[in-house]
Amino acid sequence: QQQVKQSPQSLIVQKGGISIINCAYENTAFDYFPWYQQFPGKGPALLIAIRPDVSEKKEGRFTISFNKSAKQFSLHIMDSQPGDSATYFCAAQYSSASKIIFGSGTRLSIRP
Amino acid sequence: ETGVTQSPTHLIKTRGQQVTLRCSSQSGHNTVSWYQQALGQGPQFIFQYYREEENGRGNFPPRFSGLQFPNYSSELNVNALELDDSALYLCASSGGGARGGNEQFFGPGTRLTVL
Repeated sequence: QQQVKQSPQSLIVQKGGISIINCAYENTAFDYFPWYQQFPGKGPALLIAIRPDVSEKKEGRFTISFNKSAKQFSLHIMDSQPGDSATYFCAAQYSSASKIIFGSGTRLSIRP
Repeated sequence: ETGVTQSPTHLIKTRGQQVTLRCSSQSGHNTVSWYQQALGQGPQFIFQYYREEENGRGNFPPRFSGLQFPNYSSELNVNALELDDSALYLCASSGGGARGGNEQFFGPGTRLTVL
């Protein structure tokens, strides 16, 4: 049973464009929604996170949009750069200290 | 301050063998979590250790076991290896100390191949 569904599986964006990755969840008990970035040969690293009482969170070029009623959230990467090329995972947790439930990942490629 | 380290980097075993993977947590962290990441998939939670006690377990069989030591480093042991155990095994540390928090910091992983 996939608790966090992520799309698309892969994404190609031109440099300077906007990258958008979408996720959906079922369990309303989730209380913390992080996004992770993973480069080849490295472990995932926390990029940005949001709690369900907030509809949007922005950190630099990265923004999470959260729709609690639809049980959906998305990551927007503005002015995408080649260095953003990586695999991105959305995730959900019951609290910020609990186990991380990851989506299946999106492989993002930014073309120069 | 050193980050999370894991050893070995790569490992090849045959079906039925046993394997031990090691993780050194980030300085000041008292909680270690282990995840299995199959190729092209998101990491799956195996279990978590807090101050040497198991503190939650995912949907993995008992042949996956772990330990946490007084210095908060940890081991993941897998017995009777199966082909489907081939994956990247990730360790993450968190919590504890004056600067401790809930963010889980991941190591680079151990790539296990079962033949």
